[in-house]
Parts: sequence; structure tokens; C-alpha cells
Amino acid sequence: RKEVEQDPGPFNVPEGATVAFNCTYSNSASQSFFWYRQDCRKEPKLLMSVYSSGNEDGRFTAQLNRASQYISLLIRDSKLSDSATYLCVVRGGSQGNLIFGKGTKLSVKP
Amino acid sequence: DAGVIQSPRHEVTEMGQEVTLRCKPISGHDYLFWYRQTMMRGLELLIYFNNNVPIDDSGMPEDRFSAKMPNASFSTLKIQPSEPRDSAVYFCASSFKGSYEQYFGPGTRLTVT
Repeated sequence: RKEVEQDPGPFNVPEGATVAFNCTYSNSASQSFFWYRQDCRKEPKLLMSVYSSGNEDGRFTAQLNRASQYISLLIRDSKLSDSATYLCVVRGGSQGNLIFGKGTKLSVKP
Repeated sequence: DAGVIQSPRHEVTEMGQEVTLRCKPISGHDYLFWYRQTMMRGLELLIYFNNNVPIDDSGMPEDRFSAKMPNASFSTLKIQPSEPRDSAVYFCASSFKGSYEQYFGPGTRLTVT
């Protein structure tokens, strides 16, 4: 089983749609969770951390279910500029141990 | 403020040649990471340093790969000899202890023919 698994997509949605991405992780000892965004031919950038209680940043909502080892990202009112690949990231026991999923590609169409 | 700087941005070389990738982390960051990204395998951690000391190199694919960090502002990743399967985008990232956010450089797109 891969350490971090994501549906690769692509998700093709119209502007204004709500879209949800899911991610599962295999290591129950994982301590921290993140979503990174990567634009085409660019570097990954931190989008948001994911907290146990769930957290929201504008149109973006992240949820964590430790019992199911499941992370989600919800994007409301999709914009063209949201088109990118979204990487689910899990941290193990050390500063350096970030495990990246392969990403889910989102394409928002006019 | 300057972000993580990588050079070269693109490298095309022939199989068997030595390749050296360079990275300058963000000033004040004490962790430096080297990643490789391919379509097949996604983003993989190769090695990371803390205060210039290699901490975990278990991701380095084989002896052809080596990395150094002679000081806090410079690191290199060397492939010798290079092979076509090394073709990928190589990212360098840095972070500051206490923050789990890693800041990535723009990457080096390596093509080995």
C-alpha cells in the first residue's frame, strides 16, 4: 500500500462548482498533514495545514479523520485560477519526513 | 526576499556525463531538502540536511547520486555517471525548525539522452 494515496484525476469542473479531493495515508503514527498546490511546471507551495478539528481558509476547507486515516480538501466557488495539481502531504516523526501524494489535477473551465 | 535559488533551471546532458545541481536555501533556514519529481513516482525525498549535516539519505537511489552542503547557504546534488532514467525535475526546498512549511525552489529540469 502506498504511503499517501490520491485520486490522480483530472477533475474537470465549471467555474463556480464545488469540488472535493480525498487522500488516504497508511502510517497511523503520522503527525501533521498539509495540502500543497503545484501549478503546471512550477514548484509546490503550501496551500494549508490540516488540523484535527478541521479548518477553513476562504473558499478552502480541509478535514482530517484520524480513525479512517483520511484527509479531504473542499474548494467552493471554483475559480479559473484554482486550476492546478493539489498534493496531499503527510509528516511522519521528523522534521524532514514529508511524504507527498502524487497529486490530484484540477481543471476549472469557464 | 529571495526564495530558494536553484541552478541551472534546465540541463540536457548525455548518458555517462556528470551533472551537478546547485541550491541556495532561504537565509536563516536550517533545513535543506532535495526532491526528485517524475510522472511515474511523483515527488520523492532524496536527502535532507539539518545545519549542513546530512540527516537522512535513504531516498538517494544509488551510489551514482551524492549531495553535499559545505555551508549554510549552498548545497549541491551530483549525479555521476548520469543515466536516461535520471531524467526528472529536481527540487531543492528549505525550512526553518519550528515550521513544517517547506519552501521550494523553481526546480532543475534534467534530461539525460
